[in-house]
Amino acid sequence: GAVVSQHPSWVICKSGTSVKIECRSLDFQATTMFWYRQFPKQSLMLMATSNEGSKATYEQGVEKDKFLINHASLTLSTLTVTSAHPEDSSFYICAGGGSNQPQHFGDGTRLSIL
Amino acid sequence: QKEVEQNSGPLSVPEGAIASLNCTYSDRVSQSFFWYRQYSGKSPELIMSIYSNGDKEDGRFTAQLNKASQYVSLLIRDSQPSDSATYLCAVKVNTNAGKSTFGDGTTLTVKP
Repeated sequence: GAVVSQHPSWVICKSGTSVKIECRSLDFQATTMFWYRQFPKQSLMLMATSNEGSKATYEQGVEKDKFLINHASLTLSTLTVTSAHPEDSSFYICAGGGSNQPQHFGDGTRLSIL
Repeated sequence: QKEVEQNSGPLSVPEGAIASLNCTYSDRVSQSFFWYRQYSGKSPELIMSIYSNGDKEDGRFTAQLNKASQYVSLLIRDSQPSDSATYLCAVKVNTNAGKSTFGDGTTLTVKP
């Protein structure tokens, strides 16, 4: 099946820092990637859809200036959490997959803002 | 009404029993259906895909789809403690740029 690599696995940093998370499709071309956030014991929440070569589509309530998405190639999408604050601490997961295919998830990034 | 609904659980079954997980969806044009397993602290992993009405079996797992009733289920036979996890149902309308809609998940505990 499709393999998605996400890096880093863990980030601990001070409030006000910007954090970049990378998501790579290793064995398929991802014209679309999805970014999710999951708080402890809560549901998976779609944040945005990342589109190769064009602007991302953000879900309602997600600040596009806070969560910057870049999808410059068919194998790499990045999510940058700008000026992160403790309330941004969460588990961020990317996923990719074709139109009639299931989404395959990266291993996730656990972000802790002190 | 949520687009994809699952019983939140927790669902508890004894080891060796059959665990039955259910999911209903609201969009009649949905074409692809998936079950994911998510262990605590980990990302979801795909365990089953089903695209047409009927049953699909893979080892101890059987997915059942009934499009007329807008219902998809997952049966886990001979449940093991290692099956204890949250199971997510996902539904996709194939024209929707690959976007899946996920249920909130059902937490399953298999007791030894």
